[in-house]
Amino acid sequence: GEDVEQSLFLSVREGDSSVINCTYTDSSSTYLYWYKQEPGAGLQLLTYIFSNMDMKQDQRLTVLLNKKDKHLSLRIADTQTGDSAIYFCARGSSARQLTFGSGTQLTVLP
Amino acid sequence: DVKVTQSSRYLVKRTGEKVFLECVQDMDHENMFWYRQDPGLGLRLIYFSYDVKMKEKGDIPEGYSVSREKKERFSLILESASTNQTSMYLCASSLQGENIQYFGAGTRLSVL
Repeated sequence: GEDVEQSLFLSVREGDSSVINCTYTDSSSTYLYWYKQEPGAGLQLLTYIFSNMDMKQDQRLTVLLNKKDKHLSLRIADTQTGDSAIYFCARGSSARQLTFGSGTQLTVLP
Repeated sequence: DVKVTQSSRYLVKRTGEKVFLECVQDMDHENMFWYRQDPGLGLRLIYFSYDVKMKEKGDIPEGYSVSREKKERFSLILESASTNQTSMYLCASSLQGENIQYFGAGTRLSVL
C-alpha cells in the first residue's frame, strides 16, 4: 500500500467541524505535517506535530497523533468557506525529505 | 517571510520542445526540490538538491534533468517534452537539516 494515505474528498456544512484523516506506514518519522493548498496556489504549511506528542492545538486547528495505529488527524473547528482547499498530510524522513499523501479535497457547503 | 518564486504560472509547449522551469528562493536555503502534482496522486518528488552543483534523483526522474549553478536557483529541464508531462510542477526549499519545506505557487504545464 501507499506510504501515506488519505481520503480524497470530504464535504462539511459551514460552522461544523471537519476531521481529515491520514495513515502512514513508516513509524520512524520524527515530524508529521499538515499542508493546505488553495486553488491555483502552492502548498502552505498549516501545522506540524513531533512524533512524541499526542495532540497539538493551534486556534481552530487540532492535530491528533495515534502512534500505535500510525494515524494522524486534523480537526478544523467552526469550518468556514475559506477553509475549502486540498489538505496534504506529510511525514518527514531522516533524509530531509517529505513524503506526501494524495491530498483531501475539503468542500465547505453553505 | 520565505519567498519561493517560480518564473511562470502557466506554460503551453509542443511535444518534443525543450522546456525550462525556473525556481528562485530568497532565504539562503540549502535544500531545493521539484515535485509534480497530479490529481489523486499527491506530490511526487522528481529531483532534489542539497547544495550547489549537487543533485539527487527522486521517485520519478525519468524524462527530467535539473541544474543548480547558484544556491538560490534550481531549474527543472524537460529535454523533450511529452504529453504525459502535462502537470502542475511545484518547487520547494528548506533549511539544511530541516524537513519543513516552503513552496512556490506552481507552474501548470500543458504539453500539446
